[in-house]
Order: sequence, then structure tokens, then C-alpha cells
Amino acid sequence: ILNVEQSPQSLHVQEGDSTNFTCSFPSSNFYALHWYRWETAKSPEALFVMTLNGDEKKKGRISATLNTKEGYSYLYIKGSQPEDSATYLCASRGTGNQFYFGTGTSLTVIP
Amino acid sequence: GAVVSQHPSRVICKSGTSVKIECRSLDFQATTMFWYRQFPKQSLMLMATSNEGSKATYEQGVEKDKFLINHASLTLSTLTVTSAHPEDSSFYICSAFLRGYNSPLHFGNGTRLTVT
Repeated sequence: ILNVEQSPQSLHVQEGDSTNFTCSFPSSNFYALHWYRWETAKSPEALFVMTLNGDEKKKGRISATLNTKEGYSYLYIKGSQPEDSATYLCASRGTGNQFYFGTGTSLTVIP
Repeated sequence: GAVVSQHPSRVICKSGTSVKIECRSLDFQATTMFWYRQFPKQSLMLMATSNEGSKATYEQGVEKDKFLINHASLTLSTLTVTSAHPEDSSFYICSAFLRGYNSPLHFGNGTRLTVT
């Protein structure tokens, strides 16, 4: 079992603010790092799959970076909108093909 | 594409009965499916990895006789909670995986199990 940690646990921001969260994971036996967005009453939706140290991915106002040597990834949201309100999960995929999730960061964007 | 259907979405059962949860990949063949359980305010805890045509691999601490997993076809995996007890009440969610270096997981909507 891999220990994946996310911080903060929850976050309230004003509409238009930019924000970021952290995911830390064991750097040994690392294969890939996944970010998912989980909206209430829906299933988690993949945002990014990252594998290489230094990777940066972007999707609209959301971007993510990866540092495999020190075992962390950041997710950034620029100009938060109410529709960004969700729980953001990260998961570390080990070489054994299993995926281990953090507890998530619950984001609430206040209009 | 890559839709995963899970049901039931909610089930209430009496202590001692068994409950089956189905997870289907609707438009792709999932060689691997994962079953997770989530307690309140905790992360998705991996219970088992299910590969089509072979026995599931259970995580440490998960009772294989309690949580029976069957992956009989490339589009269907089932989780049966046998002789359910109130402590089995939880949120169960499946995800399917297409083999590939950068493949994400595709999730069902989850099942809220309440054992009375």
C-alpha cells in the first residue's frame, strides 16, 4: 500500500481567485501520478496522467506539475469559477499496476 | 467514450444477507477493474484488483471470503458482500482500466450500502 497525502483537506476561495493544492507520494516504485475531479453525485473524472519528472500539463485554467524525485505534485486552478467546486483527488500508480488515492482536497468556490 | 456503469447506486439490506454490486464497462473492454471502498472523510481505499478470467488480488486486510469478486467477462466485474453486517456499510466504487502507459481510470458512480 502506498501512502498518498493531499493538502489542504478543504479550501474555500472567492470566485476569480487562483489556488493550488499538493499531493505527496512515495517516490520509490513510482510509475504515474493521476489527478481526478470528483463532483457531487458524479463519478470521478480524470484530469491528468503524469509520468515524467518535471512534467507539466494544462487543461484550460487547470494545470499540474510533477516532481518524482521528491514525490510531490501540485494542481493549480487559475481564476476559480463556481463550477470548479469539487473534490480533487490524486492517485499514485505503482509498478504493480495498483492505484492508491489521497484523501482529496475539497474545493468550494464562492460566487 | 469509456463509460462505466455501476449499480445499484444505493442499497439497504438486513444484517446477514448478501449484496451484489455490478460494474460494467459499456463501450470498451476492461481487462482490469479495481474495487474501492470509502469511509467518511477518508480516501478511496483499494480493496482488490480484478483481472478478467483470473482470481482477484486482494489488498492486505481485505477478507476475500467476505468480499467476493468475479470478473467473468471483459465488460463485467461483480463485488458480492457476503453476510453483510452494519460495519460493512460504506461507499463502494469500481473503476476500469485500459492497459496503457498513460491510461486513466474510468469510474462508476458508486454504491452506497447501508446494512441495518
